[in-house]
Amino acid sequence: AQKVTQAQTEISVVEKEDVTLDCVYETRDTTYYLFWYKQPPSGELVFLIRRNSFDEQNEISGRYSWNFQKSTSSFNFTITASQVVDSAVYFCALSEPHTGANSKLTFGKGITLSVRP
Amino acid sequence: DTGVSQDPRHKITKRGQNVTFRCDPISEHNRLYWYRQTLGQGPEFLTYFQNEAQLEKSRLLSDRFSAERPKGSFSTLEIQRTEQGDSAMYLCASSSRGRPNEKLFFGSGTQLSVL
Repeated sequence: AQKVTQAQTEISVVEKEDVTLDCVYETRDTTYYLFWYKQPPSGELVFLIRRNSFDEQNEISGRYSWNFQKSTSSFNFTITASQVVDSAVYFCALSEPHTGANSKLTFGKGITLSVRP
Repeated sequence: DTGVSQDPRHKITKRGQNVTFRCDPISEHNRLYWYRQTLGQGPEFLTYFQNEAQLEKSRLLSDRFSAERPKGSFSTLEIQRTEQGDSAMYLCASSSRGRPNEKLFFGSGTQLSVL
């Protein structure tokens, strides 16, 4: 069975600090997709990144970067120079193509990030 | 460019009543999903439509839950004989006709409170 674990529940940092959000997943499949979504107080989940299991290249997008390591089944997310607007709940999610429903996601419990001015 | 819209934003009902929620996906998206999110948890998959066909339902979706997507456009999720355990945020999402496992666009959800 697929599972996503986000061991951190709440993180509080001061603006401009770097912060890393951890994600560990479990799957029996060799082909799968990993996602990060952000949920601000308005409630609407916003897509941040998708990575497939064959692409272990790390990615940087502005202040965001992702570290995907199949050997440790981890897909960690780092925000550099955090800003107050980064305050939100961040979810890691896993999708397995064989499940039939495209983009049927298994989510972690989320990490609440608070960035203080 | 309008996103996914859900109506109502909030619903308070008494135990035993029926409730219906509506979701309007992004117009060109043919895939539509319902998820449920309880406090402190991540969203959990409920059901999935491709056009008007309901292709998958989670075991979480008891017989009291029914979802439809007539004509492959908007979707409704009905809960009959609501129970306090149904209290949650119900999220709708849609995705495009593209390759599988495309990103989902979520609505802001309907917060259900069953008293």
